Amino acid sequence: EVQLVQSGAEVKKPGESLKISCQVSVPTFTSTWLGWVRQRPGHGLEWMGIIYPDDSNTIYSPSFQGQVTISVDKSLFTAYLQWTSLRASDSATYYCATLGPHAGGPLYFYYMDVWAKGTTVTVSS
Amino acid sequence: DIVMTQSPDSLAVSLGERATINCKSSQTLLYDSNNKNYLAWYQQRPGQPPKLLISWASTRESGVPDRFSGSGSGTDFTLTISGLQAEDVAVYFCQQYYNTPYNFGQGTKLEI
Repeated sequence: EVQLVQSGAEVKKPGESLKISCQVSVPTFTSTWLGWVRQRPGHGLEWMGIIYPDDSNTIYSPSFQGQVTISVDKSLFTAYLQWTSLRASDSATYYCATLGPHAGGPLYFYYMDVWAKGTTVTVSS
Repeated sequence: DIVMTQSPDSLAVSLGERATINCKSSQTLLYDSNNKNYLAWYQQRPGQPPKLLISWASTRESGVPDRFSGSGSGTDFTLTISGLQAEDVAVYFCQQYYNTPYNFGQGTKLEI
């Protein structure tokens, strides 16, 4: 069974840095794309970007390019989302998910089929 | 970027009745070479992460009740829930995966 476990809730001040994690148990970790989605309170879902663990190839949404960094540690089966300088507008729940098809390789990445429970980030002075 | 627009933003349907949610994309999601529509539907119950219901516009995920069905092609798509049950109260999102960024619709809140 595929499982994704995210790190716990965070409370930060504006300007601080943060790195949240998503540990993935999927047999085909290195050949399954992983992605991040933001959901601000009372808002919809925003696709942030995705990463291919085998070679760390990353595709960002233009809305998030330069604002966050997506990375992966293959040895820990873990993906990360990080900020160097948080803003209040970064307050949201962040979800990681696998993209189907699993083991699709570098060229195939489509719908988000298995989701973690989310990490809530609160940025407030 | 492809813009996804859902309608209505919210709807209330009686138990046992049918709910219909529409999703329109700003450009075609039908890939000519394989005749597939690159569209997914998700359900998000209160306090939970989204759950994939349907991919390729009409293919139900394993374990999804058959009262959920997806239809449409090109730029216009529909999620239909037949025989509404109390557990179907949720926000429903469509998403295109034709081109990155794989944008979502704004969501449709379904109530009883």
